[in-house]
Amino acid sequence: DAGVIQSPRHEVTEMGQEVTLRCKPISGHDYLFWYRQTMMRGLELLIYFNNNVPIDDSGMPEDRFSAKMPNASFSTLKIQPSEPRDSAVYFCASSLPSYNSPLHFGNGTRLTVT
Amino acid sequence: GNSVTQMEGPVTLSEEAFLTINCTYTATGYPSLFWYVQYPGEGLQLLLKATKADDKGSNKGFEATYRKETTSFHLEKGSVQVSDSAVYFCALGYSGGGADGLTFGKGTHLIIQP
Repeated sequence: DAGVIQSPRHEVTEMGQEVTLRCKPISGHDYLFWYRQTMMRGLELLIYFNNNVPIDDSGMPEDRFSAKMPNASFSTLKIQPSEPRDSAVYFCASSLPSYNSPLHFGNGTRLTVT
Repeated sequence: GNSVTQMEGPVTLSEEAFLTINCTYTATGYPSLFWYVQYPGEGLQLLLKATKADDKGSNKGFEATYRKETTSFHLEKGSVQVSDSAVYFCALGYSGGGADGLTFGKGTHLIIQP
């Protein structure tokens, strides 16, 4: 079990540029979540998928943010255009659908927008 | 809406000291409660959980009891080690932590000094 894999680990970009974060969930996990972590707000749920279908995107802050899950083994979170206030650590997590299944987190992508 | 409140950090203790990190919650119905731990540069990992009132979750010497009457889930450890230094998150959810994501507290940074 390789765990949840996120790439890149670090991303530095200039304001206005497009940023794409990537996630490979654990094989067999039906749920995939994108979280954002900042000092001010803590850990916020942005969006989650069940069987590749977006279920709740109410946490996505603005239309500049979009997420896709084209298949069971890959998801992307895109920010276009990026802004300095988007700087944060973005985590992907996956889980099984059964009751009492914990979330398994990736190591995160640290995004810095200058 | 649901919310989780944790004591502010950082919490600094000496090795072998007794640890308590307070957590209270506001929620409708009967959530499950969790403690996650985040080591530097890593994603969150499940530490322990409790799914109903009066349940006690335990792992690696840590314990927490689900107290419905006080809406609390305080984390305790009798003798901390330097390796316990990390950020600890209290969280609640309704499907065991999988199906609909979790609501997290802001985290408590624990520093253990030798």
